[in-house]
Amino acid sequence: DAKTTQPPSMDCAEGRAANLPCNHSTISGNEYVYWYRQIHSQGPQYIIHGLKNNETNEMASLIITEDRKSSTLILPHATLRDTAVYYCIVRVLTNTGNQFYFGTGTSLTVIP
Amino acid sequence: KAGVTQTPRYLIKTRGQQVTLSCSPISGHRSVSWYQQTPGQGLQFLFEYFSETQRNKGNFPGRFSGRQFSNSRSEMNVSTLELGDSALYLCASSSRRQGRDTQYFGPGTRLTVL
Repeated sequence: DAKTTQPPSMDCAEGRAANLPCNHSTISGNEYVYWYRQIHSQGPQYIIHGLKNNETNEMASLIITEDRKSSTLILPHATLRDTAVYYCIVRVLTNTGNQFYFGTGTSLTVIP
Repeated sequence: KAGVTQTPRYLIKTRGQQVTLSCSPISGHRSVSWYQQTPGQGLQFLFEYFSETQRNKGNFPGRFSGRQFSNSRSEMNVSTLELGDSALYLCASSSRRQGRDTQYFGPGTRLTVL
């Protein structure tokens, strides 16, 4: 039961910023938004996560809207190695643990 | 720190057989989750184990089971294999400490059922 909606595919020119949108309109107050990427059927790689505030790390920036119904992952200077499927995920906390709901992801192609 | 390891990386079985997959989490991580990934259904949550107890379970039939050992290593078992069980099975570990629940994935086990 995916809780996120992402465009199926996007292209980005090498060296430009890649902005990947995600809708999570049913997100609850204590549910985090996570981003992972998967390259060629390898295991998904963690990128970044956030709850309310915008976040930045060495890989990317995460912009979350004030109402938390959507977010954008920004790769500031896309390279060819950033070509991958990017998953926006809502982490649901239960009484006993947590569960990650993966959507269908966005296939990002970085073009030389 | 070594990452999550999964064995075997590739496996071929026939319908009706059973299979056991193994996952060793990152050192210090006590939570292990399993996922199935297929082209048609994407990444689907199977179950999560923490301190040898199953904490969460996804919507899969009882043929899919798992367990976790005292050293946090985990195994999942699929009995009476069906063609539709062909998939990439991914294991992820996390520390489950407050604010540090990020899951780190292994490379996966590619299961082919003939």
